[in-house]
Amino acid sequence: EAQVTQNPRYLITVTGKKLTVTCSQNMNHEYMSWYRQDPGLGLRQIYYSMNVEVTDKGDVPEGYKVSRKEKRNFPLILESPSPNQTSLYFCASGGSGTGLTGELFFGEGSRLTVL
Amino acid sequence: AQTVTQSQPEMSVQEAETVTLSCTYDTSESDYYLFWYKQPPSRQMILVIRQEAYKQQNATENRFSVNFQKAAKSFSLKISDSQLGDAAMYFCEWKHHQGAQKLVFGQGTRLTINP
Repeated sequence: EAQVTQNPRYLITVTGKKLTVTCSQNMNHEYMSWYRQDPGLGLRQIYYSMNVEVTDKGDVPEGYKVSRKEKRNFPLILESPSPNQTSLYFCASGGSGTGLTGELFFGEGSRLTVL
Repeated sequence: AQTVTQSQPEMSVQEAETVTLSCTYDTSESDYYLFWYKQPPSRQMILVIRQEAYKQQNATENRFSVNFQKAAKSFSLKISDSQLGDAAMYFCEWKHHQGAQKLVFGQGTRLTINP
């Protein structure tokens, strides 16, 4: 089954404690990206990757890091989380044949709370 | 910079009735794509419908159709014969045709279906 898998789905952590949200896709997509969803603000892009070892900042990259060492994985790293990073996070992927012009495939979301 | 505006934070409709969700965008680009995504309570986002800007014909997918007005930069979604399963958050997305990296989401519209 084609899917984008994120983990963890729910996480409560404390300020300053490093955490990683994993994202994996099994569709051999070149493009992967991370978004945060906040009430009234919709989805905002954090980082994206056009291919392995190629990453770039989206609209709200501050406080986040990513890496793309393998095509299927695109982890989101919060080195020192702060309460303003409490949000719902989505990973998405798309293929070069369709993803660049076509639909994105989303994970189920990760609800992060930073105390 | 591109912007996407969904001016209706919430909408409700009676089951079996028709509802239209509005989306306007601002861009100086001439070639792009527009999408509507649905996010049900389960949170996973799925594509509803897609429109290429160069196509004058409005896209249709079963009960879902769009009214694409390029000059007015408007891209509304019409849901006919609304069903309880249509209840969700709906997001409008603008994407530049040449790269998936340049994409913008609207703030979302929460649609409630009244039985």
